[in-house]
Amino acid sequence: DADVTQTPRNRITKTGKRIMLECSQTKGHDRMYWYRQDPGLGLRLIYYSFDVKDINKGEISDGYSVSRQAQAKFSLSLESAIPNQTALYFCATSDPGQGHSNQPQHFGDGTRLSIL
Amino acid sequence: GQQVMQIPQYQHVQEGEDFTTYCNSSTTLSNIQWYKQRPGGHPVFLIQLVKSGEVKKQKRLTFQFGEAKKNSSLHITATQTTDVGTYFCARRPGGSNYKLTFGKGTLLTVNP
Repeated sequence: DADVTQTPRNRITKTGKRIMLECSQTKGHDRMYWYRQDPGLGLRLIYYSFDVKDINKGEISDGYSVSRQAQAKFSLSLESAIPNQTALYFCATSDPGQGHSNQPQHFGDGTRLSIL
Repeated sequence: GQQVMQIPQYQHVQEGEDFTTYCNSSTTLSNIQWYKQRPGGHPVFLIQLVKSGEVKKQKRLTFQFGEAKKNSSLHITATQTTDVGTYFCARRPGGSNYKLTFGKGTLLTVNP
């Protein structure tokens, strides 16, 4: 979705460097997510935020941190990058769910990150 | 963790053949969502199933939710080359939290 913009689209960097991936959205959604995708492993949740004052760890948060600067902005940082953090990273947004129903998640185009 | 198992991991078909991917859980699901990711693209939401035994259709795609709400399937009739991609199911883990846990996906390739 063009409504969810990730920058940069590609990044190559060295071990030990600090990296920030940015995500901005124009969908007006309160909920934002960061996922990591590795071949054969699907999408794994790193962090999620249900509103500006709410940050939660996902299943693989070690080595990562996030900042929700505004409703529309959610950034992911790697404080000291290591090679096994080489992956495709996706940001996603959604509206709140209700009852037994979740709202669809809308994904950005992804950031391909390589750490040498 | 409360994972969903997706099978098969890969499926290669001839154009015109049918295709089915399955999503299985050991626990009852509140709902199941399906996403498609084209090669080089990002996941795109296809559908959500909430009710026991629910069946929904989108053109050649048929989605089913099991009676016990522990499994789901996506069936594509007469595949086309445009169906190529990875199909993911996603579930909401137990509790009131509305985040999703994704399966590992089924990669479909279609030989023209």
